[in-house]
Amino acid sequence: ETGVTQSPTHLIKTRGQQVTLRCSSQSGHNTVSWYQQALGQGPQFIFQYYREEENGRGNFPPRFSGLQFPNYSSELNVNALELDDSALYLCASSRTLQETQYFGPGTRLLVL
Amino acid sequence: QKEVEQNSGPLSVPEGAIASLNCTYSDRGSQSFFWYRQYSGKSPELIMSIYSNGDKEDGRFTAQLNKASQYVSLLIRDSQPSDSATYLCAVATRFGNEKLTFGTGTRLTIIP
Repeated sequence: ETGVTQSPTHLIKTRGQQVTLRCSSQSGHNTVSWYQQALGQGPQFIFQYYREEENGRGNFPPRFSGLQFPNYSSELNVNALELDDSALYLCASSRTLQETQYFGPGTRLLVL
Repeated sequence: QKEVEQNSGPLSVPEGAIASLNCTYSDRGSQSFFWYRQYSGKSPELIMSIYSNGDKEDGRFTAQLNKASQYVSLLIRDSQPSDSATYLCAVATRFGNEKLTFGTGTRLTIIP
């Protein structure tokens, strides 16, 4: 157990809908990163938040957006869902930018 | 050329033998290197981190780093059936871990 929690665990949406995924970081961690892992692939970096500010973004379109709250929990929002958005979405927290990232259990999203 | 490449596998090793997993990376500015283990349907779990050239041992696991050759490996001694999983190599460009770049993973099966 890493102390990182994510909700929901599973989600089914239809194409064009919007989704919000949530992450609670480990106590004392101020940095949260989000990754997308398609079946059979390694995780791909979406973006990172440090003390409520975006601190880097991967090669994902603007319909992927996020927030980090004062308690350092975080949300990932995806608008206009596409079939290819079906994946395991992973949240990872670290104590600060200089520390190792620890993953939550993930949210499995299926877009029909 | 992919940023992080791993031997494709799948890799089958008899119980009690040594499993050797390899990873190469393209960015010479990479500073920190990680091995994560991922069981089917689960999220990645950190096994080892390594930052300096040479070997780092932790129990049955040894990580080896050669920055000149841009190569990192993981050795698992006395392999157990519970070691059967996908092993992900991840690389960060600086200690700040702005993002982790993952390989596609190597699926390891330990044969009893």
